[in-house]
Order: sequence, then C-alpha cells, then structure tokens
Amino acid sequence: AQSVTQPDIHITVSEGASLELRCNYSYGATPYLFWYVQSPGQGLQLLLKYFSGDTLVQGIKGFEAEFKRSQSSFNLRKPSVHWSDAAEYFCAVGARGLTGGGNKLTFGTGTQLKVEL
Amino acid sequence: DVKVTQSSRYLVKRTGEKVFLECVQDMDHENMFWYRQDPGLGLRLIYFSYDVKMKEKGDIPEGYSVSREKKERFSLILESASTNQTSMYLCASSLRGGTGELFFGEGSRLTVL
Repeated sequence: AQSVTQPDIHITVSEGASLELRCNYSYGATPYLFWYVQSPGQGLQLLLKYFSGDTLVQGIKGFEAEFKRSQSSFNLRKPSVHWSDAAEYFCAVGARGLTGGGNKLTFGTGTQLKVEL
Repeated sequence: DVKVTQSSRYLVKRTGEKVFLECVQDMDHENMFWYRQDPGLGLRLIYFSYDVKMKEKGDIPEGYSVSREKKERFSLILESASTNQTSMYLCASSLRGGTGELFFGEGSRLTVL
C-alpha cells in the first residue's frame, strides 16, 4: 500500500519570497501524484498532477512540482508567494494499474502555509 | 463547470440524532467517496462506492453507513451521532479506471452537541 509524508506541518513565508513544500511517498512503482490546496472552510482544489513524461509539472496559480524518482519526492514550489496563497496544501498518491474501485488516493496530513505581509 | 455538491455546508445536531449528509455529482463518475478531515490527521476515508448500490469500507467506517441508490448521489449516514463525530466531511468523485484524480465538494461542517 502507498503512503505519503508531508514533514512540515506549518510553514511561514513572507510575501514575495519563494516557497517549497515537501512531499515524500512510498510506493513500489511510479505512482500518480497530486497536489491539492484547501482554503479555509472550503473543499480541496487540484493544483497539479503528475502521471508520466516530463518530471517538472506546471499547475494553476503559478505553482510547479518536480517528481524525483530517486528521492521518492514530489515537492511543490512557487517562485514568489502571494498573500492569497495562504491555505492548507495536501500531497496525494494514487496507484497505477488498478481498475474499478481499486484506485483510491492516499493523502498526506497537510502543510498549513501562512504568508506574512 | 463540473461539480460536486454537498447539500449542507453547516449542521448542528444533538447526540443520538440520525444525520444525513448528501452529495451529488454531475460528472457521470462511477466512483464516489466520503472523507473526514480533522486537524493534524489529514483526510481519512470513511466509505467509498464504485457503482450504484455498491459500497466498501474505508479506513474509519465505524459509526457510519452510506447509501448509493443513483449514480450521481452518495449519502453518508450517522445512525446515532456522537460528539467525536464533530468534523468536516468531504465528498469526492472520480472516474473508474482513471488515475484516481478526485473532484471535491465544498465540505459539510458537522457539530454534534
């Protein structure tokens, strides 16, 4: 079974600074990888996803993530953070090759981002 | 715009009450899910369904049941609500045989007094 670790529970950055949120996964092959964002009181919105091909993926709101197989990581980055990026961010992993009801995502426990003005 | 709609955003119930949380999706997805979200614990899967009238237990099914009578609708039922079921409940859907990408509703915040 797959698992996901987000080692940082809280991160605070200044507006305009760069951001990197860490995500490490455990899975026997190359998984499907996702980053979701959740604003307070809202559901989760997909930021970006990796299925195959180019290991650097671009998402919405200026975010990008890089899949590194050797490190089992899928870290989320943004070159310049805006105050509106303050939210909770979840990394998730899905297994390949499953059909029917087998393909459920496994989520990390989330990283809460605070942006200082 | 594709959508997952949770009928109640905020509910306050009393201990022992029966609670229904409703979720409807308009994407013709086969798979539907109910998660519970608590601070520090992330998202935990309660139940999911991969077809009408089919259901499978997730990681924390105790105290919950579900119903899926139509493809677009997935209901979460708390037979006898308890204070430890105070939480945010998230419904999601996905395509069968796909990557597992989930589409989420906006959540239902349940408080049990």
